[in-house]
Amino acid sequence: QVQLQESGPGLVKPSETLSLTCTVSGGSISNSYWSWIRQPPGKALEWIGSILYTGTTNYNPSLKSRVTISLDTSKNQFSLKLNSVTAADTAVYYCAKNRVPGAYWGQGTLVTVSS
Amino acid sequence: QSALTQPPSASGSPGQSVTISCTGTSSDVGGYNYVSWYQQHPGKAPKLVISEVSKRPSGVPDRFSGSKSGNTASLTVSGLQAEDEADYYCSSYAGTDTVLFGGGTRLTVL
Repeated sequence: QVQLQESGPGLVKPSETLSLTCTVSGGSISNSYWSWIRQPPGKALEWIGSILYTGTTNYNPSLKSRVTISLDTSKNQFSLKLNSVTAADTAVYYCAKNRVPGAYWGQGTLVTVSS
Repeated sequence: QSALTQPPSASGSPGQSVTISCTGTSSDVGGYNYVSWYQQHPGKAPKLVISEVSKRPSGVPDRFSGSKSGNTASLTVSGLQAEDEADYYCSSYAGTDTVLFGGGTRLTVL
């Protein structure tokens, strides 16, 4: 049973970089797409981007200029960096397996952008 | 790219059936059979209830079913139960290696 767990700071200052890591257990990261999704408080889900186990990345066009997704196969982890954050980036951030997220999601982590 | 269009709310009484729509374009919903539906209870992560338009994952009750016609996908919940009250989101592969989500529908069991 694949399990995902997000980790990272819960508070980020405006204009700084949001950095999160997703640790995958119960399966190898080297055989699928892996995605990041976010949900601002009280709002809808938003796809941020995905990474294939080969390292190929795809991003939401609206966030592309600020997003980097990478993976570390030795640690069975993949990561999200979102730079130049503003209050609008405050959200629960989820990691998930597959490009169109399937059955495996992390529990989510709230990141608040505030000084 | 615009989010897929869902009605903001839907409701039904216990035992009834409710259908939630998800409208996109020929570049996303209409162009691929990669539409998924998720159920989200407050404070919880989304749970997959339908994948690839109409496939039901193991453990999801057969009261949940999915279909697609043209650019609109639909989720039907039959025999409504109190625990079905939640937010429901659709998603679709949108070509050029991107994914879209819908705006979400709050299902109320009366």
